[in-house]
Amino acid sequence: GENVEQHPSTLSVQEGDSAVIKCTYSDSASNYFPWYKQELGKGPQLIIDIRSNVGEKKDQRIAVTLNKTAKHFSLHITETQPEDSAVYFCAAREGGGSYIPTFGRGTSLIVHP
Amino acid sequence: GAVVSQHPSRVICKSGTSVKIECRSLDFQATTMFWYRQFPKQSLMLMATSNEGSKATYEQGVEKDKFLINHASLTLSTLTVTSAHPEDSSFYICSARGGRKDTEAFFGQGTRLTVV
Repeated sequence: GENVEQHPSTLSVQEGDSAVIKCTYSDSASNYFPWYKQELGKGPQLIIDIRSNVGEKKDQRIAVTLNKTAKHFSLHITETQPEDSAVYFCAAREGGGSYIPTFGRGTSLIVHP
Repeated sequence: GAVVSQHPSRVICKSGTSVKIECRSLDFQATTMFWYRQFPKQSLMLMATSNEGSKATYEQGVEKDKFLINHASLTLSTLTVTSAHPEDSSFYICSARGGRKDTEAFFGQGTRLTVV
């Protein structure tokens, strides 16, 4: 099955700095990679996703990059703000079968004012 | 994105009782719903997948007689924790997917269950 590794587990930055979270996956059949933001006591919310036919995607301050050859993808947040503080999960999903995503272990991002 | 509503957001129950958690898709028909369990500071653990009108498929190690899942309609799935014990205390989250399998699944707000 798929295995997703996520690093770092905790990331502390100053407001205005950039934050980068990295994930690797094992199954070359995975072709969809969503990123979720989970605030305390709430369910995960999709913030950006990328499919395997694209190398990079950007949405305002958030961008995701994908390297299929190396099987890794990253989340980039620029100009971080205190409200970006949350737990971020990456996931990888295969392109067939059950289409059930495999989640990383999460990164707790803390943005200090 | 689509809206998935989960209720209740918090529940406290006594050991030995059962508690039901509802997951509703408000603006789309959810052909598939997923139930997750999340321990503090950990990732989401998939418990089961349910397709409307079919029996749920449970992940290895999840007791189907303890965690009863019903997906009787295209907008509602329920998870019932039977004979709850303190070790069942956790954060339970549902997600719902409609239409084609390769569409995105949307998460509910989660339910914090505390068994005393």
